[in-house]
Amino acid sequence: DAGITQSPRHKVTETGTPVTLRCHQTENHRYMYWYRQDPGHGLRLIHYSYGVKDTDKGEVSDGYSVSRSKTEDFLLTLESATSSQTSVYFCAISEEPRGAFFGQGTRLTVV
Amino acid sequence: ELKVEQNPLFLSMQEGKNYTIYCNYSTTSDRLYWYRQDPGKSLESLFVLLSNGAVKQEGRLMASLDTKARLSTLHITAAVHDLSATYFCAGSEYGNKLVFGAGTILRVKS
Repeated sequence: DAGITQSPRHKVTETGTPVTLRCHQTENHRYMYWYRQDPGHGLRLIHYSYGVKDTDKGEVSDGYSVSRSKTEDFLLTLESATSSQTSVYFCAISEEPRGAFFGQGTRLTVV
Repeated sequence: ELKVEQNPLFLSMQEGKNYTIYCNYSTTSDRLYWYRQDPGKSLESLFVLLSNGAVKQEGRLMASLDTKARLSTLHITAAVHDLSATYFCAGSEYGNKLVFGAGTILRVKS
């Protein structure tokens, strides 16, 4: 257990509203990631962080922003939710060389 | 930019049979990972392959890596129902970023 907690686990929100998902880790890992999972696409990287206040974009970053003010917390914000952002969101930490370990996921539905 | 392709995307097997899932990747990747995901659950790490020729085995699953061919395989021996899940391979890019294949849905029928 890599000590990763995502919140909320489920959320339904309306189009156009802002939404923030939280990822909390307990083991002081430097690298943290947000992925989204959609059928037929595997997991796609949204944003990642390599330290406090150090973040960068991934493959599907449009419409998302992130913040990392503390080592243990990595926040993902949907600035104005759209139906195309309905997905399952996974946070992950990197523990090389063992690879990435994932949180339990957040199922987000935008109506 | 690393691209990862898996095939097949769906695999229906009879119990007791053998089969292989293939994972091709487009550019150099430091390492190759295999994950398992059960419906509605998170991803569970199965194997980490760190070098050319690496072979790892756990129970009925065996993973291998050929960096020259840019190919990894996940071989299933004598499948059982409990192996039914979705299997992902992933390569590693700069910044420890993982790039995933689309996943292989495995259904083992009794």
